[in-house]
Amino acid sequence: GAVVSQHPSWVICKSGTSVKIECRSLDFQATTMFWYRQFPKQSLMLMATSNEGSKATYEQGVEKDKFLINHASLTLSTLTVTSAHPEDSSFYICSAGGQGLASYEQYFGPGTRLTVT
Amino acid sequence: GNSVTQMEGPVTLSEEAFLTINCTYTATGYPSLFWYVQYPGEGLQLLLKATKADDKGSNKGFEATYRKETTSFHLEKGSVQVSDSAVYFCALSYRNTDKLIFGTGTRLQVFP
Repeated sequence: GAVVSQHPSWVICKSGTSVKIECRSLDFQATTMFWYRQFPKQSLMLMATSNEGSKATYEQGVEKDKFLINHASLTLSTLTVTSAHPEDSSFYICSAGGQGLASYEQYFGPGTRLTVT
Repeated sequence: GNSVTQMEGPVTLSEEAFLTINCTYTATGYPSLFWYVQYPGEGLQLLLKATKADDKGSNKGFEATYRKETTSFHLEKGSVQVSDSAVYFCALSYRNTDKLIFGTGTRLQVFP
């Protein structure tokens, strides 16, 4: 299957700073990318869906001004957590889908653990 | 709303033991059901799926049957190996959406 990478794999930042997480599809043109968040002992929750060249669609309750998503190319999407706070500490996972693929045919990155101190 | 509930882990087994990881769902209509596996340091991978009631998904010795009457999709394997150690996620989706709804994941640890 296709490979999706995320960078960094873990990051620690201070409260009030911003942090950017990259998601790359290495051998696959990802027309759609998804961003998920997982808190300890909770479900993987979809945050937003982005299509290449378009604005992201955010799930209810997710602040779009806080979690900035850019999907400028078919191989790269970025998630920027702005003015991070300790409650944003979580495991962030991206996945990539292609045109014509079903929802379950997503290729997942290994995740990024964010800790805000 | 739609949701997926999985048994809490970790599940710890000896090699060649029988595995069951329970998964139940709450959903309207007829979702498709999935099991994903995440090996250490890797992304989630689709393990198996079932798209309608009574379907049985199978792959790599794992099986799960879509039980509408009990709203369940339990994952089973007759004889686990150390290499099966991973986190297993149950999920559902509907045909007309892109969204996957996941359970919390269950960590499986298999010892030799």
